[in-house]
Amino acid sequence: NAGVTQTPKFQVLKTGQSMTLQCAQDMNHEYMSWYRQDPGMGLRLIHYSVGAGITDQGEVPNGYNVSRSTTEDFPLRLLSAAPSQTSVYFCASSADINYGYTFGSGTRLTVV
Amino acid sequence: GENVEQHPSTLSVQEGDSAVIKCTYSDSASNYFPWYKQELGKGPQLIIDIRSNVGEKKDQRIAVTLNKTAKHFSLHITETQPEDSAVYFCAAIVSGGYQKVTFGIGTKLQVIP
Repeated sequence: NAGVTQTPKFQVLKTGQSMTLQCAQDMNHEYMSWYRQDPGMGLRLIHYSVGAGITDQGEVPNGYNVSRSTTEDFPLRLLSAAPSQTSVYFCASSADINYGYTFGSGTRLTVV
Repeated sequence: GENVEQHPSTLSVQEGDSAVIKCTYSDSASNYFPWYKQELGKGPQLIIDIRSNVGEKKDQRIAVTLNKTAKHFSLHITETQPEDSAVYFCAAIVSGGYQKVTFGIGTKLQVIP
């Protein structure tokens, strides 16, 4: 029972590069989200999905894209990395909005 | 929108003492309040939650209380142990809209042996 798996754990990008952060869950959860965590700012929602084929923007969506082709996977794409996107990124899933999240272990991204 | 304030931002206690972390929320429609524990280098982990129709919930050394009138809820940890050292986040959720999850800014708890 792996829960929520995020890869990679660490990544360094140069400004302007693109990359995809991977997220997979094996709990058959419908709801999946991407958060970024920055010092002093808590957890901020980037994008979320309420099921395969359905995604929507959160609080800080600019510079990021998502897709949800299957229930299990919810990748986050950085289109053109900027230093402001240096952060720790967490993927989370839940069976229902009225239940707590299961978080992945995070991806620490540095953009230089 | 919802605003969740969490206090204190840091808390140091002696091993065996109790720790209390408080959160206040602004949206009276919030009806689900989970608490998460984040250890260094790991993702947040759900440790306890409470719904708006309940005033208190306990799970061994951890308890959460909710005062809907005052719009605040608190995490209580008794008989603290060094392994309780972590960052704790509260959250307030308004059902009916998936993006309506608002987190507190976190409390760094240090339990001194």
